[in-house]
Amino acid sequence: KQEVTQIPAALSVPEGENLVLNCSFTDSAIYNLQWFRQDPGKGLTSLLLIQSSQREQTSGRLNASLDKSSGRSTLYIAASQPGDSATYLCAVRGNYGQNFVFGPGTRLSVLP
Amino acid sequence: EAGVAQSPRYKIIEKRQSVAFWCNPISGHATLYWYQQILGQGPKLLIQFQNNGVVDDSQLPKDRFSAERLKGVDSTLKIQPAKLEDSAVYLCASSLRFGISNTEAFFGQGTRLTVV
Repeated sequence: KQEVTQIPAALSVPEGENLVLNCSFTDSAIYNLQWFRQDPGKGLTSLLLIQSSQREQTSGRLNASLDKSSGRSTLYIAASQPGDSATYLCAVRGNYGQNFVFGPGTRLSVLP
Repeated sequence: EAGVAQSPRYKIIEKRQSVAFWCNPISGHATLYWYQQILGQGPKLLIQFQNNGVVDDSQLPKDRFSAERLKGVDSTLKIQPAKLEDSAVYLCASSLRFGISNTEAFFGQGTRLTVV
């Protein structure tokens, strides 16, 4: 059974810092991995999708990497802004059409 | 492109009452998911549909929860009777059918249920 963990659970940084969020999964037989952002009281917004054959994806100030063999993904946020404050969730999808299994999330606060 | 639509946005009911949630996925998305998100936790799958067939409902409490997806488009999730521990946000998501390379999932705004 796939299990997903995220470290740290919460993170507070001053504006302008570069930061890394970590996601680990127990079963490396994944189809893809997706990073989401969730603002309080809102649904999930997709940030980046990495296919199992890819090593990284970039979108603006965000860069996500995937190391399938070690069961890890990282989300790198460059030059953080107060508007980046949210909970960041990673989710992995198995090779056989299974649903997305989510981690518990990292709650990020970027202080002005 | 319209996103995933859910209604209602909020619902407060008493325990033992029934409640229903509605979801309209993105047009053309064959796969539809219902997730339950308890405060402070990641979403947990309740049920996954491929068109109007159930792919995975192993974590759905079938004694009180039911879901259907008529005609492979809209879906409803029902809870009857509700318990206090059902208080959560219920999220609907959709994606292209599995097997297509880009199966990015898109989520609705969710329905926040409070059972008192």
